[in-house]
Amino acid sequence: NAGVTQTPKFQVLKTGQSMTLQCAQDMNHNSMYWYRQDPGMGLRLIYYSASEGTTDKGEVPNGYNVSRLNKREFSLRLESAAPSQTSVYFCASRDRGVTGELFFGEGSRLTVL
Amino acid sequence: AQSVTQPDIHITVSEGASLELRCNYSYGATPYLFWYVQSPGQGLQLLLKYFSGDTLVQGIKGFEAEFKRSQSSFNLRKPSVHWSDAAEYFCAVYNDMRFGAGTRLTVKP
Repeated sequence: NAGVTQTPKFQVLKTGQSMTLQCAQDMNHNSMYWYRQDPGMGLRLIYYSASEGTTDKGEVPNGYNVSRLNKREFSLRLESAAPSQTSVYFCASRDRGVTGELFFGEGSRLTVL
Repeated sequence: AQSVTQPDIHITVSEGASLELRCNYSYGATPYLFWYVQSPGQGLQLLLKYFSGDTLVQGIKGFEAEFKRSQSSFNLRKPSVHWSDAAEYFCAVYNDMRFGAGTRLTVKP
């Protein structure tokens, strides 16, 4: 069982470059999320998609865009990377049932020089 | 403002000692609460969750947590810590999937 798969796992960018983080889940979950993790700040929600065809901003959406390509895939795009976006990014998914548990990918470490 | 707070950034305990990690929340209604664990270089794994009912919930790896409405707390406990418990622990709220800043646990031999 793959669960939640993120690519790439590591990426180094120069300031101003663009890139897309890909996320796919094989659990038929309705909701998908993108978080960033920074030391001392926990996980902060960037964007989420409650269901296919919808996306909403989280706590820290500035500088990011997302696309819910289909039920399985949810991508995060940095149009013009900045050093402040150096972070570890996590994708997660869940079924919007009573349990509500999030299932996480292994993370993508992004460095912006 | 809605928030979830973990007051302890870093805790060190000896192997075999008991453990309590604190989590406080500020939400209008009773939130649904989770504890997650993150081992170094890994994603997050669910330890336990509270939605309703019994305020003492059991989780995996011998962890438990107690929901106390009067104190707006959901503290994580373990009677005897193992070296493999060294990790970062996050409290989270279901309502808006907001996470606390995390508590890093170091286990001394």
